[in-house]
Amino acid sequence: QKEVEQDPGPLSVPEGAIVSLNCTYSNSAFQYFMWYRQYSRKGPELLMYTYSSGNKEDGRFTAQVDKSSKYISLFIRDSQPSDSATYLCAMSGSGSSNTGKLIFGQGTTLQVKP
Amino acid sequence: DSGVTQTPKHLITATGQRVTLRCSPRSGDLSVYWYQQSLDQGLQFLIQYYNGEERAKGNILERFSAQQFPDLHSELNLSSLELGDSALYFCASSVDGTPGETQYFGPGTRLLVL
Repeated sequence: QKEVEQDPGPLSVPEGAIVSLNCTYSNSAFQYFMWYRQYSRKGPELLMYTYSSGNKEDGRFTAQVDKSSKYISLFIRDSQPSDSATYLCAMSGSGSSNTGKLIFGQGTTLQVKP
Repeated sequence: DSGVTQTPKHLITATGQRVTLRCSPRSGDLSVYWYQQSLDQGLQFLIQYYNGEERAKGNILERFSAQQFPDLHSELNLSSLELGDSALYFCASSVDGTPGETQYFGPGTRLLVL
């Protein structure tokens, strides 16, 4: 079983829809939770960042972390065709290892149709 | 543009050969990470360097090695290449390589082993 599980999709929605993307994880040491967006043939870029449990909102994007359930979500409101990309959840821990290495989910491919 | 540069962009080579991938981090970043992205395994952490020293190691094969030079650029060496090594290789950088820091990804090197 992978440390981070993410449904690869693909997910296809009409423009304007609310999109929900999710990841589950097994390692309780994870403290930092990120969502990266990757356009085709490009490097991932950081979209949202959350420390520990809670919600964070940035424009049309909302990230939620529920550490008790080991479950994180990304919501996209009023989705646009330009949101079509692969969304990767990523996590890192804290503690004595002192490494920022990221553990990624498989990525969910999203297509927003005009 | 993340500020992280990677060369070459594309590489086509034969099984058994050796290649070197190069990464220059963002100005001011001391830590470099290498990740491998393949269709079946997703984005996987390989190795991390901080200011010339190895800080963390992931699922990196013994045929692969890396180093970070005094000018902070890094090279990933892949030897005795196999078909299964075909993948996208990303370099990322961050300021001091600790958990929770934003990592900035380069555009990647696409490796095809024939």
